[in-house]
This record gives sequence, structure tokens and C-alpha cells, in this order.
Amino acid sequence: DAGITQSPRHKVTETGTPVTLRCHQTENHRYMYWYRQDPGHGLRLIHYSYGVKDTDKGEVSDGYSVSRSKTEDFLLTLESATSSQTSVYFCAISESGRGFLVGEQYFGPGTRLTVT
Amino acid sequence: GQQLNQSPQSMFIQEGEDVSMNCTSSSIFNTWLWYKQDPGEGPVLLIALYKAGELTSNGRLTAQFGITRKDSFLNISASIPSDVGIYFCAGQLRAGSYQLTFGKGTKLSVIP
Repeated sequence: DAGITQSPRHKVTETGTPVTLRCHQTENHRYMYWYRQDPGHGLRLIHYSYGVKDTDKGEVSDGYSVSRSKTEDFLLTLESATSSQTSVYFCAISESGRGFLVGEQYFGPGTRLTVT
Repeated sequence: GQQLNQSPQSMFIQEGEDVSMNCTSSSIFNTWLWYKQDPGEGPVLLIALYKAGELTSNGRLTAQFGITRKDSFLNISASIPSDVGIYFCAGQLRAGSYQLTFGKGTKLSVIP
């Protein structure tokens, strides 16, 4: 298994509060991603990072920010949580492979977030 | 955004039967990946395909990158109870793109 941990694994928070989710990897992979998974929508990319302090937006980035100050850590922050952000959040990592930048993405165990 | 149509959405099969599922799109993809997700866990990569026509096996699993580059197939032979889960296809739309597009999954149930 890829060395990816996510914390916390479960969180319940109230609308309007800030929330930070952490992804930690021990693989020294360059690329890191945050996805959310919702019924009927599958996995959707929120933000990604292609190096320390290098990040960019994905498909559903509104309401989320990220930071990556070290290769091994990628943080996802909900500045002011809303009920629509109730979801399961997955972190993924990848390294360049077969000449393609994305390569094969490996996922963490997920964080289940409930916003009440 | 780009869509991957994955079918069937769900299937019930008898233990020992073979299974087929597929993903199609109106767009050309450069890479196809197949993942399996168990309840409460993250998706696990099963097979990666990089070239049109490529056929790759991983144990009882075989996946193919369609010749048109708009589809991919996953076959599971001689299914067993631990094959239960949700199978996702994912594609990389453009070489150099950081983004993967995911299908909505095929939920597989195996009847012992």
C-alpha cells in the first residue's frame, strides 16, 4: 500500500466554522491531489499540487484552499464550512510515469466530513 | 466537464462467473486507469493502460484500452466473494494534464 495517511478520519463540524484536513505521504511523490466523493457524482478534483508551494485549482475548488509547505504534507482548508461540503474527502499522490505527468494516482483512506 | 459513461451501474453475479464492465466517452483519452473501492476505504489502483489497443492483466483481471481511445473494458474471470466492491474507470484527457476524469462506478455483488 502507498504510504498515505489522512487526518482526521472522521469529523463533524458546524456551518461557518473553519476546517483543515491533512494528507501526509511517505513516498516522496511530487504530485498530490484532493478529491471529494459524493453519491451520483463520483470523484471530483478540488485542488492539486505539482510541487512545494505550487498548487492549482481543480473542477470544484470554490470554498476550498490548499497549502503545501513540505513535500510530504498537503492541507485542505474549508474557510467557512457549509452543508454542501459534507462529503468524503480523498487525498491522492502520483509521480511522473511512462512519460505522462499524471502517472498513476494512489489514494489515501479518506476523511468523512459532516457539516451540520 | 468531460464525462465518462460507465456501465453497468450495478451487477449481481454468481461466484465463479466472469464479469465485464466498460467505460465510454465522446472524447479521446491518453491514459485509462481502473480502480476498486471497498466500503469505507480509498480507491485502489488495479490496472493502468497507456496505449490504444493495449491489453493488460493483473491476476484474474484483464483490461483493454480501446482502439478508438474513447473506451476501455475491464474483465474479471472466475469471480470470488472478495471481488465485491465498486469499480471505477478513470481517464487522462490530455498528455501532460494533471487531472483524471472518473466514471461513476460499477457496483459488483457476488452471490456465493
